Amino acid sequence: QLVQSGAEMKKPGASVKVSCKASGYTFTSYIISWVRQAPGQGPEWMGWISAYSGNTENVQKFQGRVTMTTDTSTSTAYMELRSLRADDTAVYYCASGASSSKLDHWGQGTLVTVSS
Amino acid sequence: DIQMTQSPSSLSASIGDRVTITCQASQDISNFLNWYQQKPGKAPKLLIYDASNLETGVPSRFSGSGSGTDFTFTISSLQPEDNATYYCQQYDGVLTFGGGTKVEIK
Repeated sequence: QLVQSGAEMKKPGASVKVSCKASGYTFTSYIISWVRQAPGQGPEWMGWISAYSGNTENVQKFQGRVTMTTDTSTSTAYMELRSLRADDTAVYYCASGASSSKLDHWGQGTLVTVSS
Repeated sequence: DIQMTQSPSSLSASIGDRVTITCQASQDISNFLNWYQQKPGKAPKLLIYDASNLETGVPSRFSGSGSGTDFTFTISSLQPEDNATYYCQQYDGVLTFGGGTKVEIK
């Protein structure tokens, strides 16, 4: 099970950090991906982090603005997005998988609203 | 980047109908193709992985086929709870989703 932090409302230029707490499985055995979905749009993969090694892979459009981390002591993954813009308004999901190619289990989503 | 073209974008069918959705990749992706179901206000749910493998616990009326660039997702007998949007997703180091197919029950 993946449980995410609550909804956030941010102003343009601010940062947001979303958490994703895992339970019911060995956290370090899985890869955590972050996927966002803007209102009325399809999912957009942002990148993944290996809970075992801490290695990350991010989509180029987010490089420099996103940081993915994990805390193995609490089985929690984090995604921080900086320099927020209005078009970053979306539901942000974490999803886990035994491999990086598919997303087996999903969190409930965190709505991030960016508005002045 | 590999582009995924999914069709149709929406369809309406009756209970018991056979429903087919297609997904075409802009390059050969072997069988790195997954299918998800998303209901309003909920996270996507993995149904089919590696083009044709049914995820554990998913009803057998869902199936997938294809390899290379052309893939098909089928619901053999549409049920009321299948009212949802379906997405294909490819993997070539980067995960890319198709545009989605909204399935409505007549």
